[in-house]
Amino acid sequence: ETGVTQTPRHLVMGMTNKKSLKCEQHLGHNAMYWYKQSAKKPLELMFVYSLEERVENNSVPSRFSPECPNSSHLFLHLHTLQPEDSALYLCASSQEWYPLPDTQYFGPGTRLTVL
Amino acid sequence: EDQVTQSPEALRLQEGESSSLNCSYTVSGLRGLFWYRQDPGKGPEFLFTLYSAGEEKEKERLKATLTKKESFLHITAPKPEDSATYLCAGLGGNTPLVFGKGTRLSVIA
Repeated sequence: ETGVTQTPRHLVMGMTNKKSLKCEQHLGHNAMYWYKQSAKKPLELMFVYSLEERVENNSVPSRFSPECPNSSHLFLHLHTLQPEDSALYLCASSQEWYPLPDTQYFGPGTRLTVL
Repeated sequence: EDQVTQSPEALRLQEGESSSLNCSYTVSGLRGLFWYRQDPGKGPEFLFTLYSAGEEKEKERLKATLTKKESFLHITAPKPEDSATYLCAGLGGNTPLVFGKGTRLSVIA
């Protein structure tokens, strides 16, 4: 595997379900990100991890819970979601979080549908 | 508040018809301006990073330029495979990457 991978690619869940999204980067990067992409809206940054520590949390509802067990893996745990949470969830990584303006490389995304 | 605005929202070109996409930004202490290409159902694919006004970068039919207020992505003699959504993003001094809504480009054979 190369680059940034995400699983699953598609997920349909009910509002009472609990599921997790997984991201793995094979680039040796130190920073990882979760973004939400909804139709007609810019990418929204959700969380940033640098060296497994959360450094940014953009007022994301608590029904989204990130986890970064090591610098290569990132999870997004989902519970009690709402239909408006349906979107494409993108994971990205970069060499560093700050201060260098490092390029972020994205995974293919997980298309989430909440019924 | 940092902001990135892209225009037009959608652009339809004939194959071979050159044009430009615009990215206007108000990002404090800009440290980098990024261009990405995104195909339907896929993640953004990195194209260019520009760091300072006057800088230009090229890749095949694409050329990105940067001024103090905006960036342009010039597409020369586009082909149908250039059809995608092009995203612009700015990285400020103390803020994470801020994305525009993108320009959806369609190139018709």
